[in-house]
Amino acid sequence: GAVVSQHPSRVICKSGTSVKIECRSLDFQATTMFWYRQFPKQSLMLMATSNEGSKATYEQGVEKDKFLINHASLTLSTLTVTSAHPEDSSFYICSAGGTGVPGAQYFGPGTRLLVL
Amino acid sequence: GESVGLHLPTLSVQEGDNSIINCAYSNSASDYFIWYKQESGKGPQFIIDIRSNMDKRQGQRVTVLLNKTVKHLSLQIAATQPGDSAVYFCADLTGGFKTIFGAGTRLFVKA
Repeated sequence: GAVVSQHPSRVICKSGTSVKIECRSLDFQATTMFWYRQFPKQSLMLMATSNEGSKATYEQGVEKDKFLINHASLTLSTLTVTSAHPEDSSFYICSAGGTGVPGAQYFGPGTRLLVL
Repeated sequence: GESVGLHLPTLSVQEGDNSIINCAYSNSASDYFIWYKQESGKGPQFIIDIRSNMDKRQGQRVTVLLNKTVKHLSLQIAATQPGDSAVYFCADLTGGFKTIFGAGTRLFVKA
C-alpha cells in the first residue's frame, strides 16, 4: 500500500518550453501532496505544499508563477515548470501523506528534468 | 533557524559490519523524526520513525536512538549489506506534514 507514482520519469526539453509532471497516489487518497526539488548530492528542498481543491502554499524563494501546481483530485497533483531554463534542470520528487505511520510521507520515484 | 543536519557526508563500511549514521537537530521542541533511505535515481523510502517519548526503537536490522539532551539521533544498521548502499536522511516532522530534511549521508558498502 501507499504507492505514489510520477510521470514522466525523465524528460528532456528545450529552453522556453513548459513541462508538466504528474504525481498520483495509487492506492490511497491524499488531501495533501508535497513537491520537492533535489540537486545532485544535495538534500530535498521543499518547494510547495499542494492541497486538494485549494491553492498551493509555496516555500520562500519559490516562484509560484514559474512552478504551477494543481491538485485537482485526491489522487493527482501536477507540477508545471513554465518557460523552463537550464537552471531548472533538477530531480523533482512528489510525496503524499498516506496510511500507516502518521506524518510519514510516501515519495514518488522522482522525475529527472533536463532543460537544454 | 531550525535545522537538521548530519555529521558525516559519507560513510564506508565493510559488508557484514554494523553502520551508524548520525544526525543532529537544533530545535529543542522537535518531537518526531523519521529516517529515510534514498537509492540513486529514486525517491526516499521510509525506514523507521521515533517520537520524543522514546529513546530507542528497533526495526528489522535497524535501530534508531534519540538523545534529546544533546539533540542527536542515530540510525544503526546491523550486518550491513550491499543493498543498504544509499543516501540516508533524517527528517524532522515536528511541524506535521511539513518535513525538514537533513543534508544526507551516503553509505557505501564494500563487498
